[in-house]
Amino acid sequence: KAGVTQTPRYLIKTRGQQVTLSCSPISGHRSVSWYQQTPGQGLQFLFEYFSETQRNKGNFPGRFSGRQFSNSRSEMNVSTLELGDSALYLCASSFLGGAEGGELFFGEGSRLTVL
Amino acid sequence: AQSVAQPEDQVNVAEGNPLTVKCTYSVSGNPYLFWYVQYPNRGLQFLLKYITGDNLVKGSYGFEAEFNKSQTSFHLKKPSALVSDSALYFCAVSGQTDSWGKLQFGAGTQVVVTP
Repeated sequence: KAGVTQTPRYLIKTRGQQVTLSCSPISGHRSVSWYQQTPGQGLQFLFEYFSETQRNKGNFPGRFSGRQFSNSRSEMNVSTLELGDSALYLCASSFLGGAEGGELFFGEGSRLTVL
Repeated sequence: AQSVAQPEDQVNVAEGNPLTVKCTYSVSGNPYLFWYVQYPNRGLQFLLKYITGDNLVKGSYGFEAEFNKSQTSFHLKKPSALVSDSALYFCAVSGQTDSWGKLQFGAGTQVVVTP
């Protein structure tokens, strides 16, 4: 079956702009998580959605937001972009069945460059 | 709060030799431990996980990991490394059984396998 799809793969923005990233999870997966990856901070958890509800949120400013739709697709938005927001943004999905045990399936990421 | 430490930024090994990537963790309660691998400009791929049961876990591509509760370690091993194993390896932990989407990742260990 198809994997996790993230769009766009690459994008360039300027400071002060906003950006929306999209993630389509594996069919049947109800949980979508977002991570930010940078050389300096590594992989940091942004937020997790399950059945359209945010279940967890990492330590990021309010400029970072997300949502999940009824078909489990998710979007994240970053407003008022800063240079430090340049990163690879990774989306991961999981079924979240009790026996599944926590395996996340990652997309290839959206690489954001802020100039 | 949970945390993960990968003490080596890089591991160099010759093809055919054993490969070990170290990971130690700190978590309240029972740990749920994972290894992921990342190839350049790609998302993360799941290798293996420890939830409960046998301390020796076998995963994808010939990798295995040993859970050691007394040493709070979860080292990744492969008996005979391949050049194609060269990649960035991440150890991750979750201490929450109801939110599989939120993982705490280590800083990553770059593995370089030379012919």
